Amino acid sequence: DTAVSQTPKYLVTQMGNDKSIKCEQNLGHDTMYWYKQDSKKFLKIMFSYNNKELIINETVPNRFSPKSPDKAHLNLHINSLELGDSAVYFCASSPRGAVSTDTQYFGPGTRLTVL
Amino acid sequence: GQQVMQIPQYQHVQEGEDFTTYCNSSTTLSNIQWYKQRPGGHPVFLIQLVKSGEVKKQKRLTFQFGEAKKNSSLHITATQTTDVGTYFCAAAYSSASKIIFGSGTRLSIRP
Repeated sequence: DTAVSQTPKYLVTQMGNDKSIKCEQNLGHDTMYWYKQDSKKFLKIMFSYNNKELIINETVPNRFSPKSPDKAHLNLHINSLELGDSAVYFCASSPRGAVSTDTQYFGPGTRLTVL
Repeated sequence: GQQVMQIPQYQHVQEGEDFTTYCNSSTTLSNIQWYKQRPGGHPVFLIQLVKSGEVKKQKRLTFQFGEAKKNSSLHITATQTTDVGTYFCAAAYSSASKIIFGSGTRLSIRP
């Protein structure tokens, strides 16, 4: 069974549309994250949730809204998509709330292309 | 804000040659992690270093944490084609609740 799964794997959409990406982890971890990896491979944290509570919210446009219905799921909704949103979005999880000392387990990624 | 510099950005080596990537921080780290991302894949955890001067080995990979806990390196001896990918360091600061990824070093290998 996949530990951290994301859907969809690929997402191609027009500028201005709204889209969602879903993430699920079956590791029993307390903390989940969204990362954005751009075309130059820079990996930047966007959000972090610990037991459904938002603990990290980096400088991300408010068109991006994460939602964690339970600690095993973290979804990302993006409104009014822009060309610059094209990237690979990785979901990750870690066992505890002590983020800086925990190993992060990444999902397979969602490649978003905005036309 | 806190930043970690990783060099080089790219390295292209002949199979069998050695490879090293370095990470440097201007401030003291709590710990540092290393991840590998294969082409088209996702980052996978390799190791975590916590103690000053720590050296850890995994087969042909040697990881070092500087005495001042401000820098770290990953050295691969006698590269193989399976080593291809991007290697990221991920720095943790005691004052922060997150890890900060370096820009990565992309390793490619000539067979």
